[in-house]
Amino acid sequence: GIQVEQSPPDLILQEGANSTLRCNFSDSVNNLQWFHQNPWGQLINLFYIPSGTKQNGRLSATTVATERYSLLYISSSQTTDSGVYFCAVDDKYSGGGADGLTFGKGTHLIIQP
Amino acid sequence: EPEVTQTPSHQVTQMGQEVILRCVPISNHLYFYWYRQILGQKVEFLVSFYNNEISEKSEIFDDQFSVERPDGSNFTLKIRSTKLEDSAMYFCASSPTLAVISYNEQFFGPGTRLTVL
Repeated sequence: GIQVEQSPPDLILQEGANSTLRCNFSDSVNNLQWFHQNPWGQLINLFYIPSGTKQNGRLSATTVATERYSLLYISSSQTTDSGVYFCAVDDKYSGGGADGLTFGKGTHLIIQP
Repeated sequence: EPEVTQTPSHQVTQMGQEVILRCVPISNHLYFYWYRQILGQKVEFLVSFYNNEISEKSEIFDDQFSVERPDGSNFTLKIRSTKLEDSAMYFCASSPTLAVISYNEQFFGPGTRLTVL
């Protein structure tokens, strides 16, 4: 099956800093999503971005499908940005239908005041 | 804004007991999913469901698991005889019809934390 690698695994930053999280995937995808898992365990949708660039406030994401990677940018970090960021993909050639997402192991981000 | 809901938020059970986890997907969505996350690990796909039948399942989804859409709103995951290793957070998700230009963003519920003693 498709492989998803996220880097870095851990990141500690001071409030106000900027960060870039990376997601590499091993095959073509139909779907790529970024999630933030908050301290209560909830998975918050950040972006649905199988290709192209999107921005939402201080967060933006870019997926270069031909090179099989996606980047999540967080600017002017706040303590509430802390948590685990997951990238998840849907294998383009898995046979269609309701395909399950394959998640990476995540980046654990800690923003210190 | 519509959201996926799950009940209960926490469930504690004894090994060998049956549990049913409940989910109410977003009302106009047609595709439903269950995932699990063992503490400290990544989220893993269990099963997807469309048109009242399983569409895809992972190796994790063995004979002890079953899914059902008992009515027009609920989607359930049943674990027949729980084991210690079933302790995890279980997430339900739903996505809109794929007929809309291949748009299939999945929206996740808040999860049910299952503890098997």
